[in-house]
Amino acid sequence: GQNIDQPTEMTATEGAIVQINCTYQTSGFNGLFWYQQHAGEAPTFLSYNVLDGLEEKGRFSSFLSRSKGYSYLLLKELQMKDSASYLCAVMDSNYQLIWGAGTKLIIKP
Amino acid sequence: DAGITQSPRYKITETGRQVTLMCHQTWSHSYMFWYRQDLGHGLRLIYYSAAADITDKGEVPDGYVVSRSKTENFPLTLESATRSQTSVYFCASSEQVEETQYFGPGTRLLVL
Repeated sequence: GQNIDQPTEMTATEGAIVQINCTYQTSGFNGLFWYQQHAGEAPTFLSYNVLDGLEEKGRFSSFLSRSKGYSYLLLKELQMKDSASYLCAVMDSNYQLIWGAGTKLIIKP
Repeated sequence: DAGITQSPRYKITETGRQVTLMCHQTWSHSYMFWYRQDLGHGLRLIYYSAAADITDKGEVPDGYVVSRSKTENFPLTLESATRSQTSVYFCASSEQVEETQYFGPGTRLLVL
């Protein structure tokens, strides 16, 4: 079966750095997406990786290793508004997104 | 630019009733998707559509019906609602199947 694993919850301090990991086993691979979802709101797109390596976008970076079936989302200079759930999703061989259950990130002052 | 909208935003219904959730996008995206989101689960694909009059099943299609007579609209109908269909429903769209999906605000459905 297809599976995406990410931690259920993480806690970090305002101003710090946090890394959210995602491991996957899917039928084929056509890219990995990270979305942010604030409570009661829709998921919003953060980043996309299809090749190995690091993609940087402001305070957020995303890394991919296809050989290890592994990705992480790195958030720097954490702000209170970064408190949200972070969803990892892999596009499989049928171009369907397989979603992890999400990581709830709690930021403390 | 409205983007992608869903209605209603909240709905309470009773077991056995028919319910239709609406989704409308203004981007002329080819692909549209319906997901449900339940606590402890990732988003699960119900149905998707590649173009007007082309729809296909996702992971959890049972109990749902879709149609797409116009590119911009993609309604989801629960033919006879069950309590297990209590969930948050998200509509999404993308220009092409391999591209980023953009989500509507969601519909919270409670089936009593």
